[in-house]
Amino acid sequence: GAGVSQSPSNKVTEKGKDVELRCDPISGHTALYWYRQRLGQGLEFLIYFQGNSAPDKSGLPSDRFSAERTGESVSTLTIQRTQQEDSAVYLCASSFSGTKAYEQYFGPGTRLTVT
Amino acid sequence: GQQVMQIPQYQHVQEGEDFTTYCNSSTTLSNIQWYKQRPGGHPVFLIQLVKSGEVKKQKRLTFQFGEAKKNSSLHITATQTTDVGTYFCAGPYAGGTSYGKLTFGQGTILTVHP
Repeated sequence: GAGVSQSPSNKVTEKGKDVELRCDPISGHTALYWYRQRLGQGLEFLIYFQGNSAPDKSGLPSDRFSAERTGESVSTLTIQRTQQEDSAVYLCASSFSGTKAYEQYFGPGTRLTVT
Repeated sequence: GQQVMQIPQYQHVQEGEDFTTYCNSSTTLSNIQWYKQRPGGHPVFLIQLVKSGEVKKQKRLTFQFGEAKKNSSLHITATQTTDVGTYFCAGPYAGGTSYGKLTFGQGTILTVHP
């Protein structure tokens, strides 16, 4: 079946502009995660949606970052007033959810470049 | 807060040599997961270990979960160039109600010289 998809695959934007990144999770996966990965670095957790529960926003680096999810489907990550340090690959993952941690399925990522 | 540390950060080996990466958590984990990320790719799930002392094998890869469920290792026998990539361990977050949230280690970058 279809995996996690993300769009756009690449985004180049000018400093100060807003960007919106999209993630389509695997159907039936109630948990959705956003991570940031800078070049050559590990995965930095940003936000976690679990079913209808309040999202865990503990990883968002500043109030310029926000994310929404419509039900158990599409999610968008918005970065306002982009800065050069926001340049990174933004990865989305989805999984089943419950009282234990299930394996996460990652999308191909959106490579964001802020000039 | 919970931390998951991996060592080494980098490992360069000749093809045919063995490779091991170690993962240590500051808290007891209910399970440990391992992911592989090829250069330019995204992380792909490899395996999950749940039981104390558990050992699982996937062809040339051997995964272990420590008796105290705070550490884990991945060992690759006779590396091949296809093993190149970054190997991440990840453990479930130990606090709050964020069930399912994983804390990832920083990863071990493996390069294999032919």
